[in-house]
Amino acid sequence: GESVGLHLPTLSVQEGDNSIINCAYSNSASDYFIWYKQESGKGPQFIIDIRSNMDKRQGQRVTVLLNKTVKHLSLQIAATQPGDSAVYFCAENVGLTQGAQKLVFGQGTRLTINP
Amino acid sequence: DTEVTQTPKHLVMGMTNKKSLKCEQHMGHRAMYWYKQKAKKPPELMFVYSYEKLSINESVPSRFSPECPNSSLLNLHLHALQPEDSALYLCASSQFGGLPSTDTQYFGPGTRLTVL
Repeated sequence: GESVGLHLPTLSVQEGDNSIINCAYSNSASDYFIWYKQESGKGPQFIIDIRSNMDKRQGQRVTVLLNKTVKHLSLQIAATQPGDSAVYFCAENVGLTQGAQKLVFGQGTRLTINP
Repeated sequence: DTEVTQTPKHLVMGMTNKKSLKCEQHMGHRAMYWYKQKAKKPPELMFVYSYEKLSINESVPSRFSPECPNSSLLNLHLHALQPEDSALYLCASSQFGGLPSTDTQYFGPGTRLTVL
C-alpha cells in the first residue's frame, strides 16, 4: 500500500548550518508532495510543495528536491535558525477510489538547532 | 490569509460526557478535514467534507460524529470516548476537496483532548 517514510527520526545541526531532511514514498502515481513544519503544541504549518512534473522548487531558505526515479523527496533548509527547531513531515497526496484525495504523512523528523 | 481556527484549545472530558470541537475558516475553502494526532506520530485522517457533504470516513468509531453546518464551519461531536482517544485533534481546509490533486491543506492549531 501507499506509505511515506523518513530515513532519520532526529536531526541535530549547528545554528547557521544547512540541514537536509529526507523522505521516501512508495506510490509512483502520486503527483503532489508537501512539506509541513510542526512546532510543539501547534498544528502543521505549510512550508513548501512540489508537483511531480518538477525536480526542484525553492522558497525562502528552503528547497524541495524530488527524485521520481528512486521515489525520494528532500527538504533543504539553508542557514538554520533556532526557530527552525520543529518536527518536519513530508506528505503525499494520494488519490482514492471515491475520486477524493487524502494526505499520507511520513513519520516525521525532529530537527534540533544547536547554538 | 491561511488561517484555520479551532476551539477549544484544550478539553478534558470524562467517558460519559458529550462535548464538541469546533473549526472555522474564512478562506472560501470548500473542503474541510478532521485529523487525529497521537504524541510523536503523524496526523491520521478521520473525515473529509467536500462542499458540505461527507466524502470520506476513515472507518472512525461512531463515538466521533462530524458535522458541517456550512462551508466555513466544521464540528466534531464527541460522546462516550475512551482514554485512548486522548490526542491532538486537527482541523484542516483546502480549496477544492479532491480535485485538482494539488489542493493544499492548511491546518488549524488543534484541540488537545484528554479523556479521563
